[in-house]
Formats: sequence, C-alpha cells, structure tokens
Amino acid sequence: EVQLVQSGAEVKKPGESLKISCKGSGYSFTSYWIGWVRQMPGKGLEWMGIIYPGDSDTRYSPSFQGQVTISADKSISTAYLQWSSLKASDTAMYYCARLDGPGGPPFDYWGQGTLVTVSS
Amino acid sequence: SYELTQPLSVSVALGQTARITCGGNNIGSKNVHWYQQKPGQAPVLVIYRDSNRPSGIPERFSGSNSGNTATLTISRAQAGDEADYYCQVWDSSPLIFGTGTKVTVL
Repeated sequence: EVQLVQSGAEVKKPGESLKISCKGSGYSFTSYWIGWVRQMPGKGLEWMGIIYPGDSDTRYSPSFQGQVTISADKSISTAYLQWSSLKASDTAMYYCARLDGPGGPPFDYWGQGTLVTVSS
Repeated sequence: SYELTQPLSVSVALGQTARITCGGNNIGSKNVHWYQQKPGQAPVLVIYRDSNRPSGIPERFSGSNSGNTATLTISRAQAGDEADYYCQVWDSSPLIFGTGTKVTVL
C-alpha cells in the first residue's frame, strides 16, 4: 500500500527556521516525484515545487522559488520542505504528494498534511 | 501566466447531477486532473487525464474536456460528495490548480 506520512504540526515564531518531512512507503521512492502543495487557511491549493528523489532534480513554482528549499534523502525514503526564516504568511497546511513525472501526470497519492503556524 | 477558473460554488439536489466547470485558454489541449477535498482531509484524485477514474472512485464521477472548458460531472449526487473540487493542469512546467468549487448537496 502506497503511503506518504508527514511530520507533525509545528508552531514557530517569525524568523525561525523549519524543516518538515514526508516519508514514502509501499513503492519505489526513487522512481516517482514528490511534490509540495500549500493551502492557506480557507484558501485553495498552490503548487510549490517537485523533486525526483532518484537524482534530486528539483523544480520550483516561480511563486516559491527562493522562499523555500525542497530536498530528499533517498536512503530513508523521505522528502523535505524547509524555510530559513519563517513569516506569519507561511501559516498554512502543507501537503506532499506523489506523481509520475513533470509535465502531465496527476498527484495520485497524498500525505495527511502538516499544519505550520507562525505567530509571535 | 495560465489561469484556471472555476465557479465558487455549485449546489445539487440529492440524487441529481452536478457539473463543475474549469475554464482555461485552450484547456482542451491539456490533460486535466480533478481532486476532491473534504473538510479537514487531504485532497483525493477523482479523475485523471480528462476522463479516467482511479481505482476505488465511483462510476458516478466522470470528466470531459474540450475547447476552453473541462467539466467534472457527479451523477446521482450523495451527501458524501459534499466537498471542494479542484481542477489541475501542467502548463510548461508550472503546475496550476483551479480556484476550487464548493459542492453542496441539498
């Protein structure tokens, strides 16, 4: 059974750093891309970027380029999303999801989401 | 940049048919995927590549795509179909989500 299990909710202060994770199981982690999607409170879905854990090829949405870093450790089947300096506007639910490749396929499996709250 | 426009809300009577549109310039030339998101839950893929249903998705869900509009159709709507629905395409590497439609079953 394909599963993506994300790390737990986080409460941080503005200016702090953060790294959240997404662990894949039940499939070949290095054969599929992992994407990250933001959902701000009461709002829609926004694509942030994708990574291919096989070779760490990473693509970012222009809206998030330079704002976050996406990485992966294939030895432990885990992808990451990190911030170096959080802002209150980063408060959102973040989902990871699996896809077959860039340019066409859908996100076929999703993690349960990680809620990030940034508040002073 | 490419944009996908969905109606903010759609209401459907129990047992009737709901149609959710997703408008985009020449969207008929792209593969459209649809996701269902119930309150407090992660999105779930319900239609991929315009009209294909993943395993486990009821036949009541169907999709079409032509010209400037893609459509998700929910037949014989049930109370459990109440959710937000999002369309999604790829546009030259950026992945685009639609604005989302809240479906209410009356």
